[in-house]
Amino acid sequence: ETGVTQSPTHLIKTRGQQVTLRCSSQSGHNTVSWYQQALGQGPQFIFQYYREEENGRGNFPPRFSGLQFPNYSSELNVNALELDDSALYLCASSLPGTASYNEQFFGPGTRLTVL
Amino acid sequence: DAKTTQPTSMDCAEGRAANLPCNHSTISGNEYVYWYRQIHSQGPQYIIHGLKNNETNEMASLIITEDRKSSTLILPHATLRDTAVYYCIVRPSNSNSGYALNFGKGTSLLVTP
Repeated sequence: ETGVTQSPTHLIKTRGQQVTLRCSSQSGHNTVSWYQQALGQGPQFIFQYYREEENGRGNFPPRFSGLQFPNYSSELNVNALELDDSALYLCASSLPGTASYNEQFFGPGTRLTVL
Repeated sequence: DAKTTQPTSMDCAEGRAANLPCNHSTISGNEYVYWYRQIHSQGPQYIIHGLKNNETNEMASLIITEDRKSSTLILPHATLRDTAVYYCIVRPSNSNSGYALNFGKGTSLLVTP
């Protein structure tokens, strides 16, 4: 158990719809990263939030957006869903500058299926 | 682009040491080597990291060659619960992505009874 929780566990949407995934970071962690993991592949970095601001972004289109709240929890929003968006979405929290510098604690993920 | 090369899969007998290799021949001087693992249907789990010295913790040992072009993760006494995909990651030193981890495809380790 990492203390990072994600909701929902599973989700089914249809092409063109919008989806919001949620993540609660480990207590005290001010940085949240989101990853997409397609079947049989390693996780791919989507973006990262540090103190409520985007702090880096991977190679994902603008229809992938996010938010971080004052309590450091975070949301991932995906608009105009495509079939290829079907994947496991992972959230990870960290606390840069501590002894566990760059160690990221992952949640169990949200499995999104787009039909 | 992946900066590491790992074998696709490996087997190990329960109770024996599992030695997982990783090649990172283009590693820069200030880049660390990280290892994570992902047990089926779970999020990745941090194992260990190092810069140039060998490291050991309660989970594993990390051996980095003197030229830092390769490393080996050692699970000293593998158990069935160590069956997972193991990722070797070199952290980008100059990145606009903060602390992003660049996962490749990893090594699928199967521990057998």
